[in-house]
Amino acid sequence: GQQLNQSPQSMFIQEGEDVSMNCTSSSIFNTWLWYKQEPGEGPVLLIALYKAGELTSNGRLTAQFGITRKDSFLNISASIPSDVGIYFCAGRAASGSARQLTFGSGTQLTVLP
Amino acid sequence: NAGVTQTPKFQVLKTGQSMTLQCAQDMNHNSMYWYRQDPGMGLRLIYYSASEGTTDKGEVPNGYNVSRLNKREFSLRLESAAPSQTSVYFCASGGGGFFGPGTRLTVL
Repeated sequence: GQQLNQSPQSMFIQEGEDVSMNCTSSSIFNTWLWYKQEPGEGPVLLIALYKAGELTSNGRLTAQFGITRKDSFLNISASIPSDVGIYFCAGRAASGSARQLTFGSGTQLTVLP
Repeated sequence: NAGVTQTPKFQVLKTGQSMTLQCAQDMNHNSMYWYRQDPGMGLRLIYYSASEGTTDKGEVPNGYNVSRLNKREFSLRLESAAPSQTSVYFCASGGGGFFGPGTRLTVL
């Protein structure tokens, strides 16, 4: 099946710092999605990317669809305490079932005051 | 507009017991999904339904069955629960994955 490597697994940062995380896949994807999950809740979609090279922002969040179509990046600028949570990438492969998403294992973000 | 709802929120079963997890969406989505989430493993697809009347296996279907009752509802059944099925179960709908709040299941 598809393999998605998400890094880092966890991050401890100071409030106000910028954050970067990324995902790489073993195959070409035609969709990349980024989610945030807070304790006791389901994942919430943050940003969706559909084209290689695409750069999309949602407030302080910016995500990019890598040119090789095998990676994606999420950046959070000027972090605040409410950014705490687990961030997941997910991708939909260019071949195989068009409806199945493969998820990364998540990046646990902690923001220190 | 409730989005995706799941019941129950918590459940404890003994090995061998059966139960059905319920999911409903009010966004008129054709596709619906069941995932399980285990620590350090992200979300893994159990079954999905591309449209009313169709279901397909995902990555980890063994030990589960599903029913797409109508366009709104997609249920997940454990016929004979096992401790390995202790997990958090999420239902989702739509291509972008609108998730429900989850069901936390413990099998003793």
